[in-house]
Formats: sequence, C-alpha cells, structure tokens
Amino acid sequence: SAVISQKPSRDICQRGTSLTIQCQVDSQVTMMFWYRQQPGQSLTLIATANQGSEATYESGFVIDKFPISRPNLTFSTLTVSNMSPEDSSIYLCSVRDSNYEQYFGPGTRLTVT
Amino acid sequence: DAKTTQPTSMDCAEGRAANLPCNHSTISGNEYVYWYRQIHSQGPQYIIHGLKNNETNEMASLIITEDRKSSTLILPHATLRDTAVYYCIVRVRNDKIIFGKGTRLHILP
Repeated sequence: SAVISQKPSRDICQRGTSLTIQCQVDSQVTMMFWYRQQPGQSLTLIATANQGSEATYESGFVIDKFPISRPNLTFSTLTVSNMSPEDSSIYLCSVRDSNYEQYFGPGTRLTVT
Repeated sequence: DAKTTQPTSMDCAEGRAANLPCNHSTISGNEYVYWYRQIHSQGPQYIIHGLKNNETNEMASLIITEDRKSSTLILPHATLRDTAVYYCIVRVRNDKIIFGKGTRLHILP
C-alpha cells in the first residue's frame, strides 16, 4: 500500500493568513485527492488534484479559497487562503493507485484563531 | 449524497464478533462495497471491499447479500483497538470516495 506523509501535522494560524499543506507519497499514483474533516463530522471531498492541470473542485469549494498544485505523480499541495475560524478542520490527502485502491494520509490539524 | 445507510453507533464486547450492517439498496451492478475505518485522530484505513462474493482478509470478513442491497462487515474477535468510526462506501472502482456518516463502534472491556 502507498505510504503518505503530510506536512505540517498540525498548525495554529491567525485569521486572514494562508497555510500550505504538503502531501508526499512514496510511489507514483494515478490520482490524488484532498478532503476536509470538520470537528465531529465525516470527511468531505474538496477536490481532485490533477497532474499538470487545474484541480477539479467539488460543489462548495473554489480555487481562490483552496488552490491546489500537483507538479508530479508523488506530490501535491493544498493552500487554505484567507483563513477564518470556520476553516479549523483536519485536512487529509488521499491517493489512488493503479489497482484503484485508495489510501489516506495522517491528516493536518488546522486551528484558526 | 452517500449511497449507504448505517447505524449511528454500536457497542460490542471485547473478544466477541462485531457485526456492522450497511444498507445500499440502490447499488448498481458495477459498484463495489468498500469498508474503511477511522481511529480517533488518524486518517481512514482501508479494511476490505467486494463486488458480489463474500470476502475475507486478515482484518475482517465482508458478507454481501445475494441481491447486493445490503452487507455486513464482521470483525471476528473485537479488541479495544477496533474502537473507531466505520464507513461503508459504494462506488465504481475508478470513482472518487464519498463518505457518509459511518457507524461509531465502541468495544467494551
């Protein structure tokens, strides 16, 4: 199975600032995804990170707020822009391999004050 | 919208089998049933998946009814470390995963 690491593991940020979360996987994967998990809630898909092109966003999420990069087959970043306390969540990177199996990273716990 | 219905929570005594039900009455012929679990403060962990036949691996067994409208995840000998939220997901293999609310399983000592 793919091994996924995320940086940072947690952060506390001020309102109005931005944070970039990195996701690194130990093997080349076909698909990469970003999810959000608000306190006490299930996971919500933010977007699919496409290599070499713009990410595909789910309803309710926009590029200006959550810009995503995927420069190669093993790395992606998610930026949470102009943060507010409502953005306090766990952000999870997920990958799907060539066998269609999907794995999740450990998450980044973000607190916005 | 999630395509599955699961109980909100369940209890199971340690050492007993934990049977977690899932209803997916609108499942399509090419959709698989997947189970993941999320232990507190960790990312979701893949458990098992199946299409029509029952499946077993080192973690669990998956029983799918003949009409495929429901399934049961079985943890044969539950331990305290199995306390987690369990998600039943229905999807075509190359489709994205959409999570429902899952079942919060409490293993009681």
